[in-house]
Amino acid sequence: QQQVKQSPQSLIVQKGGISIINCAYENTAFDYFPWYQQFPGKGPALLIAIRPDVSEKKEGRFTISFNKSAKQFSLHIMDSQPGDSATYFCAASIDTTGNQFYFGTGTSLTVIP
Amino acid sequence: GAVVSQHPSWVICKSGTSVKIECRSLDFQATTMFWYRQFPKQSLMLMATSNEGSKATYEQGVEKDKFLINHASLTLSTLTVTSAHPEDSSFYICSARGPPGQGGGNTIYFGEGSWLTVV
Repeated sequence: QQQVKQSPQSLIVQKGGISIINCAYENTAFDYFPWYQQFPGKGPALLIAIRPDVSEKKEGRFTISFNKSAKQFSLHIMDSQPGDSATYFCAASIDTTGNQFYFGTGTSLTVIP
Repeated sequence: GAVVSQHPSWVICKSGTSVKIECRSLDFQATTMFWYRQFPKQSLMLMATSNEGSKATYEQGVEKDKFLINHASLTLSTLTVTSAHPEDSSFYICSARGPPGQGGGNTIYFGEGSWLTVV
């Protein structure tokens, strides 16, 4: 059973555009929601994370929007650049246990010049 | 930020042999480390949770006798693929729960991954 559902599977955006990736979860005990960026042949790197006590978190061009009632969260990449082309994974965990992260299936983002 | 180092980055071994992959937390102590397997263009599949000083906890369907995990110190966990076969060829990634950082106290940092090819 997929604990975290991610869409779309792939995304093509023009340079300067906005990339939006969505995730949904079922377990209301989740209280930590990170996004990871992975380049081919490399391990995932933490991009940005949010906790459910806030509805939005922004770091540079990256913004997480969080909707607790809908159990959804999304990553927005503003002014998308070719260097942003990578696979993005959302994840969820229960912070107090801290043991297991549940990952989405990943979104392959391609930013075309 | 916290750094997790994985070694080797890539390894080729003959079928039937064993290969060991190391995962080190370089600037922090990690009582818990995680081992993942990732097939091309797919998500990360958690294989096991490695706890310092105790036996690893394996996910359902993962053969503990084939994928031996040892977490002998607070900075090192190892994954040994025993009697490797071509179907074990994959990208193996470790991660460790680091000190409070971006996003709060439950930040997970990943290693760079290890490509295993069994011929």
